[in-house]
Amino acid sequence: DAGITQSPRHKVTETGTPVTLRCHQTENHRYMYWYRQDPGHGLRLIHYSYGVKDTDKGEVSDGYSVSRSKTEDFLLTLESATSSQTSVYFCAISGGVEAFFGQGTRLTVV
Amino acid sequence: AQSVTQPDIHITVSEGASLELRCNYSYGATPYLFWYVQSPGQGLQLLLKYFSGDTLVQGIKGFEAEFKRSQSSFNLRKPSVHWSDAAEYFCAVGANRGGNKLTFGTGTQLKVEL
Repeated sequence: DAGITQSPRHKVTETGTPVTLRCHQTENHRYMYWYRQDPGHGLRLIHYSYGVKDTDKGEVSDGYSVSRSKTEDFLLTLESATSSQTSVYFCAISGGVEAFFGQGTRLTVV
Repeated sequence: AQSVTQPDIHITVSEGASLELRCNYSYGATPYLFWYVQSPGQGLQLLLKYFSGDTLVQGIKGFEAEFKRSQSSFNLRKPSVHWSDAAEYFCAVGANRGGNKLTFGTGTQLKVEL
């Protein structure tokens, strides 16, 4: 498996609270991504990064922000969690072609 | 904008039978195409990929896929399914530019009857 670690693996949080998910890689890949997976939607891109401090929005970026201060870490922040953000979040990394995925973080917003 | 359609939400096959999962894509240029498999509670594992060249690509676990430009399709096949192949399968298309942001289909859930 590619060296990708997501933390936490499970989290329950209350509506309106901020939440940060972490993705850590040991592969020194340039590109990192955050996707969310929901039934009937497959995986949808939230944000991605093409280098340290270089990030851009994906298809479903509203309500999310990201930061990448080091090559190995990519953080996803929900500024004020809502029930619609209950989902499974996957981090992925890529050297430019194929992407490798982490094990996912199951987030429940109550 | 790129898009992927997987028309079959659920498929059930008998163990030992052949399998074909359908995938149609929309992309303005030559795409990067992928098939991923996801077991319950797990991340996505790359089965195979197409970038260019030979339109029939081989992957892991005995899977293969054929790129057909005229039909905008990239169907996944396996000649003989094993019970352990039961999982959800995702087709994805990526831009052939730096970064390769993926657009996924909605997935096909495969059930294998013993």
